[in-house]
Amino acid sequence: DAKTTQPPSMDCAEGRAANLPCNHSTISGNEYVYWYRQIHSQGPQYIIHGLKNNETNEMASLIITEDRKSSTLILPHATLRDTAVYYCIVSRNSGAGSYQLTFGKGTKLSVIP
Amino acid sequence: NAGVTQTPKFRVLKTGQSMTLLCAQDMNHEYMYWYRQDPGMGLRLIHYSVGEGTTAKGEVPDGYNVSRLKKQNFLLGLESAAPSQTSVYFCASSYSEGPPDTQYFGPGTRLTVL
Repeated sequence: DAKTTQPPSMDCAEGRAANLPCNHSTISGNEYVYWYRQIHSQGPQYIIHGLKNNETNEMASLIITEDRKSSTLILPHATLRDTAVYYCIVSRNSGAGSYQLTFGKGTKLSVIP
Repeated sequence: NAGVTQTPKFRVLKTGQSMTLLCAQDMNHEYMYWYRQDPGMGLRLIHYSVGEGTTAKGEVPDGYNVSRLKKQNFLLGLESAAPSQTSVYFCASSYSEGPPDTQYFGPGTRLTVL
């Protein structure tokens, strides 16, 4: 199973870009990279996902290295409401076409005024 | 469109008591999941369902049972609660299981077992 490594915490000034790194050096060719976040006491919220190419949506951008061993989630203009724990997840094929998401401890992002 | 809802939001049990947590989704999703989250930890998958009438074990299934009698509902049961089951429980649903589908989460149920 591909495992992910994230820094436990990061700070970002309000209005600046937040760049959250993730290492997934054992990722397989058919495994996707997902990012979710969890604002205090709430259920996790989907942000973005990707396979090989960089992706962008209304919330964030996802940059995946060419060798797919690492990725970076970019929040272009962080606000106080972006303070949350961010989870980088690699989809895990548990057999017979079954995929599961395994949540690690994530990165606690604090956006500072 | 309420998305994923969970009942109850909070519950306190005594050791040995039983209870059922209800998860409901109105998105016509095939797949539903139950996770638990302990302090300072990520989410761990308890059980999941790939469709009405089906269930499967996740990472930490012991002490829990589930049922999916209706497509929109996924029930998590604790037959004899233990203090180790004190946790926040999250339900999620998705249209399909394989990537790149995404999971939508409910607001959680905080359970304390004394």
